[in-house]
Amino acid sequence: GAVVSQHPSWVICKSGTSVKIECRSLDFQATTMFWYRQFPKQSLMLMATSNEGSKATYEQGVEKDKFLINHASLTLSTLTVTSAHPEDSSFYICSARDGREIQETQYFGPGTRLLVL
Amino acid sequence: AQKITQTQPGMFVQEKEAVTLDCTYDTSDQSYGLFWYKQPSSGEMIFLIYQGSYDEQNATEGRYSLNFQKARKSANLVISASQLGDSAMYFCAMRAEGGANNLFFGTGTRLTVIP
Repeated sequence: GAVVSQHPSWVICKSGTSVKIECRSLDFQATTMFWYRQFPKQSLMLMATSNEGSKATYEQGVEKDKFLINHASLTLSTLTVTSAHPEDSSFYICSARDGREIQETQYFGPGTRLLVL
Repeated sequence: AQKITQTQPGMFVQEKEAVTLDCTYDTSDQSYGLFWYKQPSSGEMIFLIYQGSYDEQNATEGRYSLNFQKARKSANLVISASQLGDSAMYFCAMRAEGGANNLFFGTGTRLTVIP
């Protein structure tokens, strides 16, 4: 299967700071990437769909000014949590759709655990 | 709208035995895809198996097989010869073909393999 990396894997920051998370498709080009959030013992919640060269599409209830997404190239999407607060602490995980496959499987990165103090 | 239901919060299986994880779905789309992912305690989501709505044969990938019953809208995952490393959360997901192609996830089933 395809490989997706995510960096950093862990981040601890002070309230009010901004945090950038990178998602890269390592061995394929991804015109579409997805950002999810997962609370403990819960399922994944889609935050936004990131499209290369255009604006991201945000799910209802997700603040686009709070969670900035930039898909600057076919292998990189970034999620910036601006002015982070303790309630933003969560597990953030990205995925990239592999267009080379007929079923266009979404392959996931290893995730980023964010803790805002 | 799509909806995925996993009714088993937790399952136990003896090592080397087979186990079935249930998944039912609801959709008005004619064309869709069904996926199973494994999430170990490390957090990564590992793709296991895919079934297309028009596939007539059940998908198989090594020890994983998908029992697809379209009329009943179920897509159960069968793991044969369970191993200790199979202990993890398992998520069923569905994607409508066309459009944004985003996945809709179930609530997951925690599988524990007993030695």
